[in-house]
Amino acid sequence: EAGVTQFPSHSVIEKGQTVTLRCDPISGHDNLYWYRRVMGKEIKFLLHFVKESKQDESGMPNNRFLAERTGGTYSTLKVQPAELEDSGVYFCASSKLTGVTNTEAFFGQGTRLTVV
Amino acid sequence: DAKTTQPPSMDCAEGRAANLPCNHSTISGNEYVYWYRQIHSQGPQYIIHGLKNNETNEMASLIITEDRKSSTLILPHATLRDTAVYYCIVPGEAGTALIFGKGTTLSVSS
Repeated sequence: EAGVTQFPSHSVIEKGQTVTLRCDPISGHDNLYWYRRVMGKEIKFLLHFVKESKQDESGMPNNRFLAERTGGTYSTLKVQPAELEDSGVYFCASSKLTGVTNTEAFFGQGTRLTVV
Repeated sequence: DAKTTQPPSMDCAEGRAANLPCNHSTISGNEYVYWYRQIHSQGPQYIIHGLKNNETNEMASLIITEDRKSSTLILPHATLRDTAVYYCIVPGEAGTALIFGKGTTLSVSS
């Protein structure tokens, strides 16, 4: 079974440009999460999808970030326009939807974004 | 989410057991304790989780105190590859996001 896959693995863009990160969750996982780790800081939660709906987007830093999950399968996270402080590693995770207890979340290997 | 407290760092000799403590004194009766780790800059990796009984899998053992206010993750025979940041997390309601704190940086040395 394929794990959580993220594209690209690395991206270097100039300030002001647009970048789109993609996450393919494990098949059948309705929960999808985005996280970010800025160098030297803790892993920070960004948002949570349940199928195609945004369940919790309290961690999104500002309106330059737009996440979508059309059809409830893969998700994209667009940063437009990118700023220097957006640099970091963006992780995606997925888990099964049980409604009763939490199940383990599986993480992708991340996209390292560098804004210059 | 129940708040967790972990020591910032621990050392362990290769081949010895690594015991990583976690305090979660505000945990409620139906909240699970989860452990993850992040090796270098890889994606976090699930290790184990439990509610009230002790749990064991191929990676580790989880010991939860009877009052559930603390737990210990045990890596029975630590190797150099177990050097990582270990996170103890109590997610709260089903499906809610994992909230990562600072974790414990475990350094395994030969």
